[in-house]
Amino acid sequence: NAGVTQTPKFQVLKTGQSMTLQCAQDMNHEYMSWYRQDPGMGLRLIHYSVGAGITDQGEVPNGYNVSRSTTEDFPLRLLSAAPSQTSVYFCASSTSGSYNEQFFGPGTRLTVL
Amino acid sequence: GDSVTQMEGPVTLSEEAFLTINCTYTATGYPSLFWYVQYPGEGLQLLLKATKADDKGSNKGFEATYRKETTSFHLEKGSVQVSDSAVYFCALTNDYKLSFGAGTTVTVRA
Repeated sequence: NAGVTQTPKFQVLKTGQSMTLQCAQDMNHEYMSWYRQDPGMGLRLIHYSVGAGITDQGEVPNGYNVSRSTTEDFPLRLLSAAPSQTSVYFCASSTSGSYNEQFFGPGTRLTVL
Repeated sequence: GDSVTQMEGPVTLSEEAFLTINCTYTATGYPSLFWYVQYPGEGLQLLLKATKADDKGSNKGFEATYRKETTSFHLEKGSVQVSDSAVYFCALTNDYKLSFGAGTTVTVRA
């Protein structure tokens, strides 16, 4: 099993550009989520999904869109990149049940100029 | 809403020293509690967890006990190694959503 994979590993955007961060998992997990990590702030939840076709907002959803058409994939779209979106983005997945471990991808480091 | 507060770092220790990282939480209901670790350049990985009051999670010499009366989940290790240098995150989950503390950077010197 590859676990949770994310692409790209690094990305530089100009303000106003759009892009999609890819996330895939091969563990048949129902739950997937996106976090951003900023210095001194821990990880903050952007969006999450409890199954294919179901998504919901987390703590910091503005400027991001998600969709979940399959169990395996959960892409994160930046509609019009802003310097405030410079961050490291992590995708995670888990089986259902809030006591279960979340498995994290290796992260995407995004810089918006 | 739910929140996690953990001691600020950075923490610098010598090898074989005792490590404690304090973590307290605010949550409704009965959250599960976690410690995640992030090694340089990597994603987060689960270190240990506890799902109910008085549970003790343990792994790789690290321990933490779920204390509902003090809403705490402090991480301890009796003798740290250089390989324990990492960022440690306390977290809780309620209804699938993970809430993280800010993270504590630990550096262990040989």
